[in-house]
Amino acid sequence: DAGVTQSPTHLIKTRGQHVTLRCSPISGHKSVSWYQQVLGQGPQFIFQYYEKEERGRGNFPDRFSARQFPNYSSELNVNALLLGDSALYLCASSLGVRAGGELFFGEGSRLTVL
Amino acid sequence: GIQVEQSPPDLILQEGANSTLRCNFSDSVNNLQWFHQNPWGQLINLFYIPSGTKQNGRLSATTVATERYSLLYISSSQTTDSGVYFCALRDDKIIFGKGTRLHILP
Repeated sequence: DAGVTQSPTHLIKTRGQHVTLRCSPISGHKSVSWYQQVLGQGPQFIFQYYEKEERGRGNFPDRFSARQFPNYSSELNVNALLLGDSALYLCASSLGVRAGGELFFGEGSRLTVL
Repeated sequence: GIQVEQSPPDLILQEGANSTLRCNFSDSVNNLQWFHQNPWGQLINLFYIPSGTKQNGRLSATTVATERYSLLYISSSQTTDSGVYFCALRDDKIIFGKGTRLHILP
């Protein structure tokens, strides 16, 4: 069975541009969550979606947005990119939220903002 | 929100040594997981352990939810165990500790 898949794996953008990152969960998983990991730090929670509804949001500016589609895949959008947005962006899927089982992570999308 | 603290922040050991990594948390939890992040950034699931004890080969973990801590034990360390180990907890958000960076010397 396929695990969590993310695309693209690497990308380079310039300041002020917009980026869209994509995530496909494990088959049967209805929850997707997004994380930002800058070098040397732990992953920081951005969003959690379940059944296409936002179920949690971290401390990130409104430039960050996400959505979940009927097939449970998800997109993370970041507008007006800043140099500080350079990071590894991770997606995880799980059966549910809160006590909803184990999180499984994709390999991440590494974003560089120049 | 839940606070998560991991210790030690860094650990250097000789191959073959044993180690104990600790995760303290500030509130009761429904979910606790341990991960190993490899040099390429992939987060590998080690244990899903809201309570109790589990073992998988040379690794084992114990969570004492009433005392708000979890321990990850690595026995007979190998160089491939090097990397960063994270614990993560979950309520409306998923909170990661800052990790323990483990370096196993050959």
